[in-house]
Amino acid sequence: DGGITQSPKYLFRKEGQNVTLSCEQNLNHDAMYWYRQDPGQGLRLIYYSQIVNDFQKGDIAEGYSVSREKKESFPLTVTSAQKNPTAFYLCASSFQSDGYTFGSGTRLTVV
Amino acid sequence: LAKTTQPISMDSYEGQEVNITCSHNNIATNDYITWYQQFPSQGPRFIIQGYKTKVTNEVASLFIPADRKSSTLSLPRVSLSDTAVYYCLVVYNTNAGKSTFGDGTTLTVKP
Repeated sequence: DGGITQSPKYLFRKEGQNVTLSCEQNLNHDAMYWYRQDPGQGLRLIYYSQIVNDFQKGDIAEGYSVSREKKESFPLTVTSAQKNPTAFYLCASSFQSDGYTFGSGTRLTVV
Repeated sequence: LAKTTQPISMDSYEGQEVNITCSHNNIATNDYITWYQQFPSQGPRFIIQGYKTKVTNEVASLFIPADRKSSTLSLPRVSLSDTAVYYCLVVYNTNAGKSTFGDGTTLTVKP
């Protein structure tokens, strides 16, 4: 089945560590996105990529980094510079102006 | 960029029709209007998309007036399982990555 897979489902990070969240899609979508969702809040755009080897900052990119070396993959690294990383992270993909397909999310907790 | 505004919450009863309205005053000519449904701890799910007038699929209808400054998602005969957060999203046809989710509308369906 075609879809978008995020891993891990739960992730724990110690203070000062970098962690990488995985996002893979087999939908052949050109565009991919990372969103952050805090409890009771909407989705905020971190980064997006419309083509391989190119990506753009969203509204809250500080403390995060991404890469897009393959069409299928768009990993997100939460760096130690992100002071409040505890949140629910969602990856999505889309084709042209079609609707977004979302993954099931990664819940990151700082311990 | 078109900012969207929705009611924070709505209540309904099983079997009723529910209409959720979203305003997007600054929508541009080539922008599309899309709606998503999100359950707790899951990624949003695409419901419907439209450009103007009315669009209907197996789960919902979308009404868009001529000036396109608002849209209304209509859910016929809701059930308890329709309790979720509903997001309106304006998709910028020329740069989908710039689309911004609002805070959504929490719909609670009561027995």
